[in-house]
Amino acid sequence: QLQLQESGPGLVKPSETLSLTCTVSGGSISSSNYYWGWIRQPPGKGLEWIGSIYYSGSTYYNPSLKSRVTISVDTSKNQFSLKLSSVTAADTAVYYCARLIGYDSSGYYYAWQPIDYWGQGTLVTVSS
Amino acid sequence: QLVLTQSPSASASLGASVKLTCTLSSGHSNYAIAWHQQQPEKGPRYLMKLNSDGSHSKGDGIPDRFSGSSSGAERYLTISSLQSEDEADYYCQTWGTGIGGVFGGGTKLTVL
Repeated sequence: QLQLQESGPGLVKPSETLSLTCTVSGGSISSSNYYWGWIRQPPGKGLEWIGSIYYSGSTYYNPSLKSRVTISVDTSKNQFSLKLSSVTAADTAVYYCARLIGYDSSGYYYAWQPIDYWGQGTLVTVSS
Repeated sequence: QLVLTQSPSASASLGASVKLTCTLSSGHSNYAIAWHQQQPEKGPRYLMKLNSDGSHSKGDGIPDRFSGSSSGAERYLTISSLQSEDEADYYCQTWGTGIGGVFGGGTKLTVL
């Protein structure tokens, strides 16, 4: 059973960099079939896609966050990470990591990267 | 501009059926979507992928009570034999060229 677990500081000061790691168990992050992504949810609000990464390092970012976001992958640790710089109170949210489908077992390519597994989420509060 | 539109709320009685709608913006009626369920105080759970022709494939362990269908720019999630644990927020998700992942605003389902 695939499991994704977010970890990182729960409190970040304004203007600093938010850093989170997602540890994947029960599956390999080096699989060519999947992308790995980050989504966030401000308190009481809906879901916002942040970005995704392929094991090779190819990345896709939300244009509204692109200038502040870096997603990276560490295949040796079966982990991927999120860095969001220059945070403000508006970045306070529950941050989820997720697995996204790239190719299915028949080789069909999902350009639209549907999410098929989610982590449980971690709340990050931006406050001094 | 790709937008997914969902009604903010829906309600149905225990044991009944409910059909939730996700509407794709003009020019995107052939897009596939995914449905996700978020129970109170929990992370989301993937339910299914749904194509424009109505074909769909569900995630691991998703009950037969959950099904999907499509008509034009509308994508539907039907839940039959409603149970109390179906009370949740439901989100649709797809992808826009140049903008990446896109979510609908979510529908809060109340089971009466």
